[in-house]
Amino acid sequence: YVVTQPPSLSVAPGQTARITCGGNNIGSKNMHWYQQKPGQAPVLVVYDDRDRPSGIPERFSGSNSGDTATLTISRVELGDEADYYCQVWDDRSFVVFGGGTKLTVL
Amino acid sequence: EVQLVESGGGLITPGGSLRLSCRASGFTFRDAWMSWVRQTPGKGLEWVGRIDSNLDGGTTDYAAPVTGRIIISRDDSKNTLYLQMNSLKTEDTAVYYCARGGNAFDIWGQGTMVTVSS
Repeated sequence: YVVTQPPSLSVAPGQTARITCGGNNIGSKNMHWYQQKPGQAPVLVVYDDRDRPSGIPERFSGSNSGDTATLTISRVELGDEADYYCQVWDDRSFVVFGGGTKLTVL
Repeated sequence: EVQLVESGGGLITPGGSLRLSCRASGFTFRDAWMSWVRQTPGKGLEWVGRIDSNLDGGTTDYAAPVTGRIIISRDDSKNTLYLQMNSLKTEDTAVYYCARGGNAFDIWGQGTMVTVSS
């Protein structure tokens, strides 16, 4: 199973960033999203399509339907600049990560 | 504090073996499914494998590129997860993270670097 992310996205501070993850009927799978800043381990920011772990701001939200899942970051801040990875479970491939999207806050 | 700390990385020649460890603290390790995820420098994340809790059978699943060359195990008495890697290849060079979970990973260690080179 293959999931595809755009390699990069640029947004201005205060705007909304929408990071997509595409895959065949991906809406039927539970989607998870991670944020990774340089030199740090990944951090889970959204799980099971739209749930947030404790401590993750409400500005981070997720949706998943059809062939596209989306991580939405509202009111983007400079501190949100990072790589973002989507991840699903597939019965044949097991855990599958997207290639990552580098979010640049201009 | 909930924490995972990996160790055991280093420089190894192709064909060699290495065992990584991941010490857990701050949560009930024996109840947790655990995974290993690696990241080639400058590249994306790649799942390596996972182990269920012993209560759930302690079964393992491995990614295709490493199947037959790795063994994931756990010692609940020591709150420690292991990754035994054999027949190492240059393409196994990566930062190896342990993470809590069998699917979504909510706790990650800081990673340990494995370099396979002659």
